[in-house]
Amino acid sequence: GAVVSQHPSRVICKSGTSVKIECRSLDFQATTMFWYRQFPKKSLMLMATSNEGSKATYEQGVEKDKFLINHASLTLSTLTVTSAHPEDSSFYICSAIKTGADTEAFFGQGTRLTVV
Amino acid sequence: LAKTTQPISMDSYEGQEVNITCSHNNIATNDYITWYQQFPSQGPRFIIQGYKTKVTNEVASLFIPADRKSSTLSLPRVSLSDTAVYYCLVETYKYIFGTGTRLKVLA
Repeated sequence: GAVVSQHPSRVICKSGTSVKIECRSLDFQATTMFWYRQFPKKSLMLMATSNEGSKATYEQGVEKDKFLINHASLTLSTLTVTSAHPEDSSFYICSAIKTGADTEAFFGQGTRLTVV
Repeated sequence: LAKTTQPISMDSYEGQEVNITCSHNNIATNDYITWYQQFPSQGPRFIIQGYKTKVTNEVASLFIPADRKSSTLSLPRVSLSDTAVYYCLVETYKYIFGTGTRLKVLA
């Protein structure tokens, strides 16, 4: 299957700093990518839909100034957690949508963010 | 909100067949049904996708009745390594996850 690479896989940062997470589709182009957040033993919560060349669409309750999303190319979307605080600590997962004969979502391996 | 309902958890023994059913009463005409597997601290992994009737691949089968209001993922002869959370998704434009089913395979 297609490959989506997420980087970094694990990051620790200090409160007040910003962290950027990258999501790359390695062997296909993705007009649409999704960003999720997952708490321990909980399901994935959709944060936003990232569309190449346009502004991201955020789900209700997700602060767009807090979680900046940029989808500058057909193979890269980034999520920046600005002025991170301990409550932002979580597992962040991206997915890229491959379209064609069938539409399928491919997921990155996730990023474990710990804010200290 | 997710459009799917699944059992929260299931236990099984190695070598058994496991069937996980998902309800999606409000499925739209354009919606496909997709199942994903997730291990701890990893992203979800695609298992199988279908629109109607039966789909089979090398790891699972997916049964979808004519009214498409439910679907059943069938895992033949599970092993300990199949212990994971299984999600069924029914979306055309967004991939919204429900609670998933936490499958535990016992020796």
